[in-house]
Amino acid sequence: NAGVTQTPKFQVLKTGQSMTLQCAQDMNHNSMYWYRQDPGMGLRLIYYSASEGTTDKGEVPNGYNVSRLNKREFSLRLESAAPSQTSVYFCASRETVAEAFFGQGTRLTVV
Amino acid sequence: GIQVEQSPPDLILQEGANSTLRCNFSDSVNNLQWFHQNPWGQLINLFYIPSGTKQNGRLSATTVATERYSLLYISSSQTTDSGVYFCAVDSNYQLIWGAGTKLIIKP
Repeated sequence: NAGVTQTPKFQVLKTGQSMTLQCAQDMNHNSMYWYRQDPGMGLRLIYYSASEGTTDKGEVPNGYNVSRLNKREFSLRLESAAPSQTSVYFCASRETVAEAFFGQGTRLTVV
Repeated sequence: GIQVEQSPPDLILQEGANSTLRCNFSDSVNNLQWFHQNPWGQLINLFYIPSGTKQNGRLSATTVATERYSLLYISSSQTTDSGVYFCAVDSNYQLIWGAGTKLIIKP
C-alpha cells in the first residue's frame, strides 16, 4: 500500500543546475499536486493537474515546469535552480473533490 | 478567494492536557481536511470532514459548514502529538491552507 511516492527524498543542487522531482500514486486518483513548504510556513501550490492531460499554475509557478506523464505520474522540473528554490517539496493526489494524500516530501537545497 | 484562518498560532501544554484548535474559513466549502505535520516533516491525514463530527481515538473533529468553522479536539495530550496542525479547504480543485497551529506538548 504505497500511496504517493516521491523521489528523491533529499537533493543538493548547485545554482543553475536542473533536476526533475518524480511523483507516482497508486490510488487511481485523477488529480495531482505539487506544493512547496518553506521553513515555518504553510504549503504553497506550485502546479496541479486536475486530470490526466491537463496542468494548471498554482500560487508560485515561476521557475518550475510540470508534466503529467500518465494518470499515475506527475513530475516537477527545475530548469535552472536558484537558492530561493531551497524548500521541501510535497506531491499529493486525490479524487477531484475528496481527501488528499501526500508523499513523504523531497528536501531540496540549492547552493 | 477563500481565506482560511487558524487559531491559536502557537500552543504549549503539559502532557495529559486537552486542547481545541480552530479553523475559520470565509466561504462555503465542499471539503475540509485536518493534517498533522510531525517534527520530521511528514504530513499525516487526520480527518476528512466537510461537515459533522468524527472521532479517532483521542482526536475528534467537528465542522459546522453553515457557520464556516471547524474544530479539532485533542484529549489527554501526549508528547507525540507535538507538531503543526493544518486545516485545508477546497476551492476550484485546489486546497487552500491555513497557516497552522504549532503545538508543543511538554512531558
